Amino acid sequence: AIQMTQSPSSLSASVGDRVTITCRASQGIEDQLGWYQQKPGKAPNLLIYAASNLHSGVPSRFSGSGSGTDFTLTINGLQPEDFATYYCLQHYNYPLTFGRGTKVEMK
Amino acid sequence: QVQLVESGGGLVKPGGSLRLSCAGSGFTFSDHYMTWIRQAPGKGLEWIGYSSSRGITTFYADSVKGRFTISRDNAKNSLYLQMDFLRADDTAIYYCARSYRGYDSNFDCWGQGTLVTVAS
Repeated sequence: AIQMTQSPSSLSASVGDRVTITCRASQGIEDQLGWYQQKPGKAPNLLIYAASNLHSGVPSRFSGSGSGTDFTLTINGLQPEDFATYYCLQHYNYPLTFGRGTKVEMK
Repeated sequence: QVQLVESGGGLVKPGGSLRLSCAGSGFTFSDHYMTWIRQAPGKGLEWIGYSSSRGITTFYADSVKGRFTISRDNAKNSLYLQMDFLRADDTAIYYCARSYRGYDSNFDCWGQGTLVTVAS
């Protein structure tokens, strides 16, 4: 199975900050990667698909980049509603595998 | 409004069985691959398996292969997860999720989740 190494596992940031989260795949996955946001007690929400495509309704402060093995989720201008846990998911092949998550906390 | 609602969770003893259901509404259920994903308490997300749109193809994670079975009834807009030989490490919230563009593995709609607890 493809391993997804996500970092950092947690970070502290302030409203307005730029936040960067990375995922590294154990083998090349082209652009077959999505990013999800999960708030406590809620199901995850799709933010980015195909590594860099913003899902409908997702604010433009979220962006994704990367291809192959290295991927980045960036939040430009962190908002109060963005404090949450973020997961990457590779769907290049089965079994699909998630990163272990990054918890974005308020500084 | 596109919606998924899971049901059927609860407390079950190790070695027991449980059947989860996921009811879809607000979209053409038979057009979409459907997937089960779980999350152990305080832990990350784990993909369990999927069903193709007509239910002809299923695929499972190694951790549940041979114990869990995914099926669907498109006439009832429903997805199912039959869980047998349950173990303590199957304790989790179980989510069903819809494939974004019908067949891909981007999940744009999730249910609220149903909690399964395996304990004696």
